[in-house]
Amino acid sequence: NAGVTQTPKFQVLKTGQSMTLQCAQDMNHEYMSWYRQDPGMGLRLIHYSVGAGITDQGEVPNGYNVSRSTTEDFPLRLLSAAPSQTSVYFCASSTGGLGAFFGQGTRLTVV
Amino acid sequence: GNSVTQMEGPVTLSEEAFLTINCTYTATGYPSLFWYVQYPGEGLQLLLKATKADDKGSNKGFEATYRKETTSFHLEKGSVQVSDSAVYFCALSATGNNRKLIWGLGTSLAVNP
Repeated sequence: NAGVTQTPKFQVLKTGQSMTLQCAQDMNHEYMSWYRQDPGMGLRLIHYSVGAGITDQGEVPNGYNVSRSTTEDFPLRLLSAAPSQTSVYFCASSTGGLGAFFGQGTRLTVV
Repeated sequence: GNSVTQMEGPVTLSEEAFLTINCTYTATGYPSLFWYVQYPGEGLQLLLKATKADDKGSNKGFEATYRKETTSFHLEKGSVQVSDSAVYFCALSATGNNRKLIWGLGTSLAVNP
């Protein structure tokens, strides 16, 4: 039972580089989301999707893009990495009132 | 708008002590309420939930009761263990939208042997 799988677990980028964080779920959940977690700031919603082909912005969308071509996958793209994007990123999926299921996180450092 | 306020940490307890982590919320209607736990280096896991007033969620010895009159959902455990050391997050999902979550800032708990 894989649940929500995120890759990679760790990544170091240079300022200006781009990359994609991968997220896949095997629970057939409609709703998926990306958060970043920074010390003292809790979880902040970056982007979310309520189903394939539908995405919307969260609290802190600038510098990130998402797409949702299938129910299973919800990649997060960093267009031009900046040191302010150093953070731990979590993908989550959910359905109904069951609460969210989280991936293990990606620890990103931008130098 | 909707919001969640948790007590600030860190909370440090000795093993077998009683734990309370306060959580209050602001929301219209009847939100669902959740507690999540994050162990070091891991993602968040759902600990317990309650979907209507006076419901009590419970799991692994933890409990929380949905109190609409005080807009609270305090987390309690009668006897903590070292393995309970983690960060605990309170969250709500607003009426009619059981998927988008509003988060507290988290409370770090350290339990000493």
